[in-house]
Amino acid sequence: NAGVTQTPKFRILKIGQSMTLQCTQDMNHNYMYWYRQDPGMGLKLIYYSVGAGITDKGEVPNGYNVSRSTTEDFPLRLELAAPSQTSVYFCASGEDYPHGNEQFFGPGTRLTVL
Amino acid sequence: AQSVTQLGSHVSVSEGALVLLRCNYSSSVPPYLFWYVQYPNQGLQLLLKYTSAATLVKGINDFEAEFKKSETSFHLTKPSAHMSDAAEYFCAVSEGSGGTSYGKLTFGQGTILTVHP
Repeated sequence: NAGVTQTPKFRILKIGQSMTLQCTQDMNHNYMYWYRQDPGMGLKLIYYSVGAGITDKGEVPNGYNVSRSTTEDFPLRLELAAPSQTSVYFCASGEDYPHGNEQFFGPGTRLTVL
Repeated sequence: AQSVTQLGSHVSVSEGALVLLRCNYSSSVPPYLFWYVQYPNQGLQLLLKYTSAATLVKGINDFEAEFKKSETSFHLTKPSAHMSDAAEYFCAVSEGSGGTSYGKLTFGQGTILTVHP
């Protein structure tokens, strides 16, 4: 099993450009999550999904959009990139109780907006 | 609402010394608690988790943590530090059984562990 995969690994965007961060999991998990990590701030939840066709906002959703058309894929869309979106983005998948809420993380995408 | 506080953004120990990373949480429902480790330029890996079974939880690489409800703490320890333990460590909380959080995690700010020879 590959687990959770993310592409690209690195990306530099200009202000106002758009891009999609890809995330795929092969563990048949219902739940998927997008986090951003900024130095000294831990990880903040952007969006999450509890199954195909069902998504909801997390703590910091502004400037992002998501979709979930299949169990495996959960792409994150940035429509108008801003310098404040410079961060490392992690996708994760997992299952809720009674499976213990453990989340499995991808390797991350490092995004710089200039 | 849930929150996690990790005391100390940086901890430095000598190789072979005790490692103690502190985590306090707040939760309105019985929590599940987690410690994750992040090595440079990598994703997060689960070290251990507490899900309302034994209060002393053992994880990988000789790490362990004890859930203390009265102190709302879940501190991470390792008896003898190794150079390879140098990394950033995150404590996280989610709602336990009966919650409706859909497994969402709230993370602490992270603690960078440095191990000196």
